[in-house]
Amino acid sequence: DAGVIQSPRHEVTEMGQEVTLRCKPISGHNSLFWYRQTMMRGLELLIYFNNNVPIDDSGMPEDRFSAKMPNASFSTLKIQPSEPRDSAVYFCASSWRNRVNTGELFFGEGSRLTVL
Amino acid sequence: SQQGEEDPQALSIQEGENATMNCSYKTSINNLQWYRQNSGRGLVHLILIRSNEREKHSGRLRVTLDTSKKSSSLLITASRAADTASYFCATRGGGTSYGKLTFGQGTILTVHP
Repeated sequence: DAGVIQSPRHEVTEMGQEVTLRCKPISGHNSLFWYRQTMMRGLELLIYFNNNVPIDDSGMPEDRFSAKMPNASFSTLKIQPSEPRDSAVYFCASSWRNRVNTGELFFGEGSRLTVL
Repeated sequence: SQQGEEDPQALSIQEGENATMNCSYKTSINNLQWYRQNSGRGLVHLILIRSNEREKHSGRLRVTLDTSKKSSSLLITASRAADTASYFCATRGGGTSYGKLTFGQGTILTVHP
């Protein structure tokens, strides 16, 4: 079975440009998470969705960041305009959450973003 | 601040030795999970322990949880060079925080052949 699929794996862009990161969760999973990883701040939860609905976006750094999940098979994280401090590895993860299942996360391989 | 804090930040051992990593957290939890990350890769789930459990085993992994001290430990026995990776604890809160999985800063484990 395919795992969580993220694209692009690497993105190099210039400051001010729009960046869109994409994620396809594991089929059947109903929760999706976006994390950002940097050396300085570690793994930060940006936003998570349950049944395609954003539940908690308190980790989104500022209005330049937005995330959508139009259906159960696809999510995007958009940064507009991008800044050098946005450089990081962005991970998407999915899980199956119900009252019984405690929902361990399955991570994609990440999208490494470099903003020049 | 991060819910889970790992200790030590880095650990270097010889193959065959045991590796112990510790995690402390601040608020009440529903469960605590350990993940592994190889360099340049995504995180992989290793083991989960519920708040009403005290110890759990999986292969060469042993996890303990002390809710009174808000701490957990991960023991890897008979380590191998292939165990070289970063290890993270993650806590899942209860109540309205149930959906969030908060990660610590991680322990970098190096196993020398």
